[in-house]
Amino acid sequence: DVKVTQSSRYLVKRTGEKVFLECVQDMDHENMFWYRQDPGLGLRLIYFSYDVKMKEKGDIPEGYSVSREKKERFSLILESASTNQTSMYLCASRLGVARGGGTDTQYFGPGTRLTVL
Amino acid sequence: KQEVTQIPAALSVPEGENLVLNCSFTDSAIYNLQWFRQDPGKGLTSLLLIQSSQREQTSGRLNASLDKSSGRSTLYIAASQPGDSATYLCAVNSGYSTLTFGKGTMLLVSP
Repeated sequence: DVKVTQSSRYLVKRTGEKVFLECVQDMDHENMFWYRQDPGLGLRLIYFSYDVKMKEKGDIPEGYSVSREKKERFSLILESASTNQTSMYLCASRLGVARGGGTDTQYFGPGTRLTVL
Repeated sequence: KQEVTQIPAALSVPEGENLVLNCSFTDSAIYNLQWFRQDPGKGLTSLLLIQSSQREQTSGRLNASLDKSSGRSTLYIAASQPGDSATYLCAVNSGYSTLTFGKGTMLLVSP
């Protein structure tokens, strides 16, 4: 079974702090994704990565950055956390191909509920 | 830009009932469509994936259909159980490795 793990289930941070959310997958997947999920807005893609050191902006990249130094790990960074970044953050991975639709399902982690005070 | 709509937003049924969840998308040029389940406060679990060349997929009591030309998919749940209570999300892959999600249908099955 594919396993996607996220470093924390719940996180509370202060405005202005630098926040790191970590995601690890154990199936040698090429593609990894970060989403945020908010009531009434659904899931929105923040960033994704095709392969190591490669990243692409999603629909809402402002205020976020990412890092993928190893294939199994994809980090989401909030450079200076703000209250409007309070949300549920979901990481996903997929075998896929470097570009294009692919035919494989995405596997999701359990999510990190981030609260910024 | 692809848009995905799910109707209804919420559904409450008694145990044992058969039910249908609907998903529609605006751009029919898709690679595949997935149905996910999400329990409160948890991540998403993939239920079914239908390739663009397929018409339906089945897994146990679940059956998902796809009509690409009309931009519609349905998820049929037979003989619903309280354990089926969750939010069901539809997502479309339009060919750029990313998914566009609907906002989900929240299902409650009462004993």
